[in-house]
Order: sequence, then C-alpha cells, then structure tokens
Amino acid sequence: DQQVKQNSPSLSVQEGRISILNCDYTNSMFDYFLWYKKYPAEGPTFLISISSIKDKNEDGRFTVFLNKSAKHLSLHIVPSQPGDSAVYFCAARGSTLGRLYFGRGTQLTVWP
Amino acid sequence: DTAVSQTPKYLVTQMGNDKSIKCEQNLGHDTMYWYKQDSKKFLKIMFSYNNKELIINETVPNRFSPKSPDKAHLNLHINSLELGDSAVYFCASSQESILAGEQFFGPGTRLTVL
Repeated sequence: DQQVKQNSPSLSVQEGRISILNCDYTNSMFDYFLWYKKYPAEGPTFLISISSIKDKNEDGRFTVFLNKSAKHLSLHIVPSQPGDSAVYFCAARGSTLGRLYFGRGTQLTVWP
Repeated sequence: DTAVSQTPKYLVTQMGNDKSIKCEQNLGHDTMYWYKQDSKKFLKIMFSYNNKELIINETVPNRFSPKSPDKAHLNLHINSLELGDSAVYFCASSQESILAGEQFFGPGTRLTVL
C-alpha cells in the first residue's frame, strides 16, 4: 500500500541550478508532509515540512510546495550545491500518533 | 553529542541466531520508533512507543520484539533470524507536542544474515 510515491529514482543537476524533487500521495487525510535527506551510511535527517493547510513553506535554499487538489508536493533547492547530493525522501504523516509514510526516495546528484 | 544512537552499526550473524539492537535518544522525546529499510530502499515502520506504551505494531513476524525499558530507550530483539531479515534498521524519536512531529533518526544498523 504505497501511499506516498516518488516516481523519479534519480535526478542530476548542475551546481547553481534549481533542483526539483517531486512526490505524490493518495491519502487526503495526511496532515503534514516532510522531506528528509539521507547520506550513505547515515540515518535520514529532517529537512523541511509543510502543513496540509499551507501551500508553501520556505527555509533558506529549500522551498516545499503543496498542491492538495493534485495530491502532489515538490521540494525546490535553489541554488543547488554539490553538498546537496544525497537521497531525498518524501514523507506524509497519518492519523496514528507519529505514523509517517515514506516514499522510496530520489537520488539527487549535483555536479560542478 | 549524538541525539539518537544505535548499537551495533553492523551486525553479521548466522540464520537461526537471536540478536538485539539497542537504541537510545538524549533529546527528551516521548515517542520512539523502529524502521526497516529493505533492499528496495523502502523505509517501513515496524513499531512505535509513546511513553513506553506500544502505539504502532505493523505486520511484522512475532520473532521481532521491541522493548522499552524507559522513554529514552527502545531496543529491538530478533529471534530465529532468517535470510529475509537482512536489511538496515533505523531507530527514530520524536516529540508529539511539536506540530509536524518530525522524527530524528539514528545512523542505522546494517544486519546481514548468512
């Protein structure tokens, strides 16, 4: 039951350009959406979140957009830096205390 | 100071053995979790505890038993290990009073069953 989907397994972007990572979900009852970043041999680290009642949240170079009617969210990274190269997971929070549903992740590679 | 720590980081063992993975968080959080990341890279929740009470118990074999001696610790014990148990196991914690309830993850334990 894949309720959160990241259909692009990988994305390659030149340094300084914009990276756009996409995520789709099926359950309209999710109340928060979160993005995590993961480096090899480390645990995922929280990056940014957005409430289901908002359509945009910005934190420095990272902006998350939420389109509830399309059940779609995206993470924009501007400008992209080589240190941003990592796997990015989209997650959605369900009604059970703390329950997060994760996408499969997108490997972002930022090349100089 | 590590916020969420797990031991061991790597665990190689034979089929049929029993093993434990320990997790500790020093963030003062009230909820802890165990996730499994399989070979297809999906991160799936296995268990969660809130103030030492089991909240989420996904469909996992009963060979897996979590134990929470206190709010800061959530250990995972696995009996009769099978080849399919090979995966990376992540512990996480969160504070449910925080709006988004973002979870903080440990570094993971890579379990290999031979």
